[in-house]
Parts: sequence; structure tokens; C-alpha cells
Amino acid sequence: ETGVTQTPRHLVMGMTNKKSLKCEQHLGHNAMYWYKQSAKKPLELMFVYNFKEQTENNSVPSRFSPECPNSSHLFLHLHTLQPEDSALYLCASSQYRGSLTNEKLFFGSGTQLSVL
Amino acid sequence: GENVEQHPSTLSVQEGDSAVIKCTYSDSASNYFPWYKQELGKRPQLIIDIRSNVGEKKDQRIAVTLNKTAKHFSLHITETQPEDSAVYFCAAVTGGGNKLTFGTGTQLKVEL
Repeated sequence: ETGVTQTPRHLVMGMTNKKSLKCEQHLGHNAMYWYKQSAKKPLELMFVYNFKEQTENNSVPSRFSPECPNSSHLFLHLHTLQPEDSALYLCASSQYRGSLTNEKLFFGSGTQLSVL
Repeated sequence: GENVEQHPSTLSVQEGDSAVIKCTYSDSASNYFPWYKQELGKRPQLIIDIRSNVGEKKDQRIAVTLNKTAKHFSLHITETQPEDSAVYFCAAVTGGGNKLTFGTGTQLKVEL
């Protein structure tokens, strides 16, 4: 049904826990993204990876650590999070071709994170 | 950096009426403007997009218009149906990059 798969769908963690979110895309894309979606806020871009290289870190706190081992997989490692980090974390992918690119994003279903 | 504002935040229409959602952007170098629809509990999905060299684009009941001079673009949905109920996000892309800046979203409710 979808080319972008995220796990887990739901996650509850304490502020001292360490957890990881996983994203996998089966679309042959070369760019992957992490977005944060909070209530009544715009989708906030966190990280962009093009060809496995991080090209954008949108001033994200160091308690969020991304990892992109290849063009198909993207992780978001979480540690010592705060309650205000509770949100829906969306992964997306696209085929980036430079200035003539069609920036059509394909989103995953997201991980609903609750930090207690 | 780019700043995208979207209005209204909520919109209720009767089935069969038209709905219009408006967005403004700040960076005159922005050249690509997609619209995403997110149904409750589901992922955002692209429904229509427009490039800066085009003033209007239509796909069945949905259309997007772009005014580069005023730096605003709008989504138009005609003959609305209950399945159009969702949150709609506009976005803008600057230059040749792949960094999308999203608006805050519009909750559209189509009432029977």
C-alpha cells in the first residue's frame, strides 16, 4: 500500500530512555527526510539526506540523532527527550535531481511519540 | 529563510459548495508550490502542485492558482464532497533545493 514504511507506529518513552525510529523506502528514491508534526503547527523539517549525506539540519537539538546507512533506510535515535518532544514524527522520501527536481514527497504513516 | 502563511485554519462548507484556501510566501526565489492532503490518522499525500512558470493548474475538481507578484497561491476545490474533509497543507520550495517549508494547515470540513 505504501512505499515508505515507519516503525514503530506508536512509542511511549520516559525522559531517560533511549529509543530509535526506523524508516524504510521501497521507491528507489535518493533523498530522505524527517519531519515533526505537532498540533496546530506546520510540518517542521528536521533533517534531509541526499544520497546518504546529511544536507540539512534544521537547528534540531542534539537529543535527536539521525542515521542514514543507505538511500533506503533512515533512523532517528532518541535520548533524554523532553515532554515537549511528544509529536508525530514523519519520514518521507523523494527523487532529488537538483534544480529541475520535482519535490514530490512520499510520506510514511509516522510514529506517534509520547514522552512522559 | 522561507516563511509560509496559510489561511484559514479551519473551514466548513456545505456539500457541493466551493472551498478556497490561501497561502502566502516570503521568498521571491521560491519556484515550486505543492499542496498536501492529510486525512485523519493518515499520512500527508500530494494532491496538486504548481511551478512558478505557470499561473494556474487544474485537476478535475481541484485547482491551484499562483500570483508571483503578490507571492500568494491558492487551492480551489469545487463541488466539495464529504471525502474532501481533511487537513490541507500548502508548501513552498526555494531555488533548486529540496527543502519544503509548510504552512500551518487548514482543517476542511464538508458538511452534509
